[in-house]
Amino acid sequence: NAGVTQTPKFQVLKTGQSMTLQCAQDMNHEYMSWYRQDPGMGLRLIHYSVGAGITDQGEVPNGYNVSRSTTEDFPLRLLSAAPSQTSVYFCASRIPDGSGPNTEAFFGQGTRLTVV
Amino acid sequence: ILNVEQSPQSLHVQEGDSTNFTCSFPSSNFYALHWYRWETAKSPEALFVMTLNGDEKKKGRISATLNTKEGYSYLYIKGSQPEDSATYLCALSWGTGKLIFGQGTTLQVKP
Repeated sequence: NAGVTQTPKFQVLKTGQSMTLQCAQDMNHEYMSWYRQDPGMGLRLIHYSVGAGITDQGEVPNGYNVSRSTTEDFPLRLLSAAPSQTSVYFCASRIPDGSGPNTEAFFGQGTRLTVV
Repeated sequence: ILNVEQSPQSLHVQEGDSTNFTCSFPSSNFYALHWYRWETAKSPEALFVMTLNGDEKKKGRISATLNTKEGYSYLYIKGSQPEDSATYLCALSWGTGKLIFGQGTTLQVKP
């Protein structure tokens, strides 16, 4: 089992460029989420999905788009990168609340993004 | 969005000391409370998921309790070791897919 796989691990963008961070999981988890990690701020939820075709905004959604066409994949798109989006991004997946005792999140290895 | 508050923000202890952190939240209207351990340059890993008032979970020297009526959870580490140095995160889920994290408590254990 690969678990949750994020690509790329590192990326440098120029202001205004667009890119997609990829996230794939092979555990058949219905729930998937994107977080950003900034110093002193823990993990902040960007967008999340409860299944294919269903997405919703988290705490800090502005500047990011998501879609979920399959259970396995949940890409995060930056349409026009800004320096404020410099951060470490984590993708996570888990089984739905109420479907078992172990609803913990499994995280990818992170993507370190720098916008210059 | 519920605020998930963790205290203290950071903690420095000597090897062998026992320590505890707090996660507090203003409402009992949630599905589960999670605790995660996050080592530098790695990804967060789950320690516990608790759903019921009075839940107690234990893994080795680490244990956690949940009090939904008063709105807090404690994480205890007995006899801290240098390898326990990490950031400890708590998070709440509501059964809606959202999992909201606190800011974390960073623990440094000095040999």
